[in-house]
Amino acid sequence: NAGVTQTPKFQVLKTGQSMTLQCAQDMNHNSMYWYRQDPGMGLRLIYYSASEGTTDKGEVPNGYNVSRLNKREFSLRLESAAPSQTSVYFCASSEGTIGNQPQHFGDGTRLSIL
Amino acid sequence: RKEVEQDPGPFNVPEGATVAFNCTYSNSASQSFFWYRQDCRKEPKLLMSVYSSGNEDGRFTAQLNRASQYISLLIRDSKLSDSATYLCVVYSSRRSNYQLIWGAGTKLIIKP
Repeated sequence: NAGVTQTPKFQVLKTGQSMTLQCAQDMNHNSMYWYRQDPGMGLRLIYYSASEGTTDKGEVPNGYNVSRLNKREFSLRLESAAPSQTSVYFCASSEGTIGNQPQHFGDGTRLSIL
Repeated sequence: RKEVEQDPGPFNVPEGATVAFNCTYSNSASQSFFWYRQDCRKEPKLLMSVYSSGNEDGRFTAQLNRASQYISLLIRDSKLSDSATYLCVVYSSRRSNYQLIWGAGTKLIIKP
């Protein structure tokens, strides 16, 4: 069982470059999430998607865009990477509506912006 | 005041001991609560949901105190494998606005 799959696992970018983080889940979950986690801080929600075709901003959306391509896939795009976006990024999914069900996480993307 | 607060620890506890830690939240309208564990450089994994009446799963007990706005996690007969960071997450919704706020985590170290 793959669960939630994120690619890539590691990435180094230069300031100003763009990239897309990919996430796919095979659990038929409605809701999907993108988080970032910085040292000493809790996970912070970047964007979420309650269902295919819908996306909403979370706590820290600036500098990011997302696409819910279909029920399985939810991608996160950095249009012009900045050093402040150096972080570990986690994708998650859950059944039902946003937040009131347990979330299943991918194993993260470690992103460094030089 | 942070919306969700946890004592960062670390809690250094001998194997076999009982340990408990809390997570306080500021939004009195919060609806759902969870405990996750996160091992070093790994993804968070669900430990347990927290129900209003309290709930137990083996050596783990979770409690919710709405009056004082905190949830707690109790670990009995601690094992070396319980060493991890424990994260709480609090969910609230108002109309169509959802909030998922995570605590920064409590680090637990179980010593032989």
